[in-house]
Amino acid sequence: GAGVSQSPRYKVAKRGQDVALRCDPISGHVSLFWYQQALGQGPEFLTYFQNEAQLDKSGLPSDRFFAERPEGSVSTLKIQRTQQEDSAVYLCASRPRGVGEQYFGPGTRLTVT
Amino acid sequence: KNQVEQSPQSLIILEGKNCTLQCNYTVSPFSNLRWYKQDTGRGPVSLTIMTFSENTKSNGRYTATLDADTKQSSLHITASQLSDSASYICVVSANQAGTALIFGKGTTLSVSS
Repeated sequence: GAGVSQSPRYKVAKRGQDVALRCDPISGHVSLFWYQQALGQGPEFLTYFQNEAQLDKSGLPSDRFFAERPEGSVSTLKIQRTQQEDSAVYLCASRPRGVGEQYFGPGTRLTVT
Repeated sequence: KNQVEQSPQSLIILEGKNCTLQCNYTVSPFSNLRWYKQDTGRGPVSLTIMTFSENTKSNGRYTATLDADTKQSSLHITASQLSDSASYICVVSANQAGTALIFGKGTTLSVSS
């Protein structure tokens, strides 16, 4: 096993464009988390999946943000009509079961110009 | 408001020296406290996890302490190495499910030769 992988690693988008960020969790991990990490800040929770069910999306900053995990493995975070304040590193983490350690991916650095 | 405060913001030490990083939190309820190491351009990697009843936990040259009464934690790094240069993030979990992680902003440690 490989760890959590994310793609792309870097994304530059013009303001107003839509972007899609992908997370491949560790195989068999039940839980998946998305975080947003602004420059010089700690990560902030966005949303949480258990298998394909999105159990908590309270951290999504606006309705422009949408996440899905249709088959309970790969997840996609979509940001519509990107704005400059969306510029951040988006981290994905997975966990093998309901409780326990989260394993983070390397993140996708999104820059909105 | 749930908050995690870390100090110092940044630190420079010589290779071989020891250092201590501080974390104060106001998070309720409290489930556990974690220290993560985040290398530049990488996702956070867990160093230690401590529950309410644990006062100290070690992981190699890293030793974390927790005082749940004063809501303070520290991370002590012994005999620092160049590879210890990273951001160290204190994270408090407000629930056992791990869906309510409150991240500090991190302390950036630079170890020089």
